[in-house]
Amino acid sequence: NAGVTQTPKFQVLKTGQSMTLQCAQDMNHNSMYWYRQDPGMGLRLIYYSASEGTTDKGEVPNGYNVSRLNKREFSLRLESAAPSQTSVYFCASRTLRGQGSEKLFFGSGTQLSVL
Amino acid sequence: AQTVTQSQPEMSVQEAETVTLSCTYDTSESDYYLFWYKQPPSRQMILVIRQEAYKQQNATENRFSVNFQKAAKSFSLKISDSQLGDAAMYFCAYSAYTGANSKLTFGKGITLSVRP
Repeated sequence: NAGVTQTPKFQVLKTGQSMTLQCAQDMNHNSMYWYRQDPGMGLRLIYYSASEGTTDKGEVPNGYNVSRLNKREFSLRLESAAPSQTSVYFCASRTLRGQGSEKLFFGSGTQLSVL
Repeated sequence: AQTVTQSQPEMSVQEAETVTLSCTYDTSESDYYLFWYKQPPSRQMILVIRQEAYKQQNATENRFSVNFQKAAKSFSLKISDSQLGDAAMYFCAYSAYTGANSKLTFGKGITLSVRP
């Protein structure tokens, strides 16, 4: 049972480069999320998708775009990377119904450095 | 907007002793969930314990228990018989009652070290 799979695990970019972080879950979850983690800041929500076909901004959406490609996949794109986007990125998912529906399942994270 | 506050950035505990990590939150909702997540150096996010706001009884999971004070909006985590493997960053988190647009809001985290 793979759960939530994020790729890549590590990435180094130059300022101005673009890239897409991929996330897929195999638990048939409705909702998916992208968080960033910075020292002393905890996890902050970038974007989320409550269900297939919908996306909404979180607390820190500037500089990012997302795509909910289908129910399984939710990608995060940096169009023009900036050093301020150096962070650890987590994808997460959860279902909306049934026991345990409040629980978030996390991917293993992506360490991104922008030089 | 909901906020979660963890005011202590670091704590230390002697192995086998008990430690309490503090968390307060702010919300106007009456139904919600509260969580403690553990993040060891591996970076994996591990759910330690969760509490449903409508339940008066404090949640317990083995050596981990919470002190949930709804009126005071306080949600502390007690770790008993601390072990070296408990050393990690701990995050307190809040979620409004499950719904399509509900999402987890995290505190800034606390780094717990365990002294042998």
